[in-house]
Amino acid sequence: QVQLQESGPGLVKPSETLSLTCTVSGGSITSYYWSWIRQPPGKGLEWIGYLYYSGSTSYSPSLKSRVTTSVDTSKNQFSLKLSSVTAADTAVYYCARVLGFCSAGSCYGGRLDPWGQGTLVTVSS
Amino acid sequence: QSVLTQPPSVSGAPGQRVTISCTGSSSNIGASYDVHWYQQLPGTAPKLLIFGNINRPSGVPDRFSGSKSGTSASLAISGLQAEDEADYYCQSYDSSLSGYVVFGGGTKLTVL
Repeated sequence: QVQLQESGPGLVKPSETLSLTCTVSGGSITSYYWSWIRQPPGKGLEWIGYLYYSGSTSYSPSLKSRVTTSVDTSKNQFSLKLSSVTAADTAVYYCARVLGFCSAGSCYGGRLDPWGQGTLVTVSS
Repeated sequence: QSVLTQPPSVSGAPGQRVTISCTGSSSNIGASYDVHWYQQLPGTAPKLLIFGNINRPSGVPDRFSGSKSGTSASLAISGLQAEDEADYYCQSYDSSLSGYVVFGGGTKLTVL
């Protein structure tokens, strides 16, 4: 079955760029849409965006200006970059597979399954 | 403030039935977008519990059930067990702006 694993620096300085990678195992990255989600400590879930290997993307309106995603099909990985981070970006970042109807960069609220275990990124000097 | 509204907490004794509501609007749940529910046990990643409003993934006990009506959805848990103590989140899609995924703020279930 498909499994996901996030990786990347656990500490990022304010104003710098947060970079994370999600490695997919047990399935091809070209077969599905993928998503990034984050959860600040002690708070709820926040959707960051969808991506497809073709380059189609859809991002949260509140993060759109700072988010970039990419896919490396040769490594079965996809990545997230969030620029100009502040302490408010401190969170556990999750990657997940999207299941449901997807087209032209959006999955119209498809379900997220499975999720990676998450990785905590702290923004601090 | 979350686009989808959930009660911050609910509680129940073992064996009882509890429900968790998820209230949206005409641009998300009321626009016929599916509602999904996730269970997040302490210190773990969320796990899909109910999808497409009423469907259970393989392996999820039938004690968990979902429903949807109008601009709201509900998750019901019957025969409450200690291991059900967790945070529960609803998720849907909102067609406003350019369209985006929305989550409820989460509900902490305490088994008394």
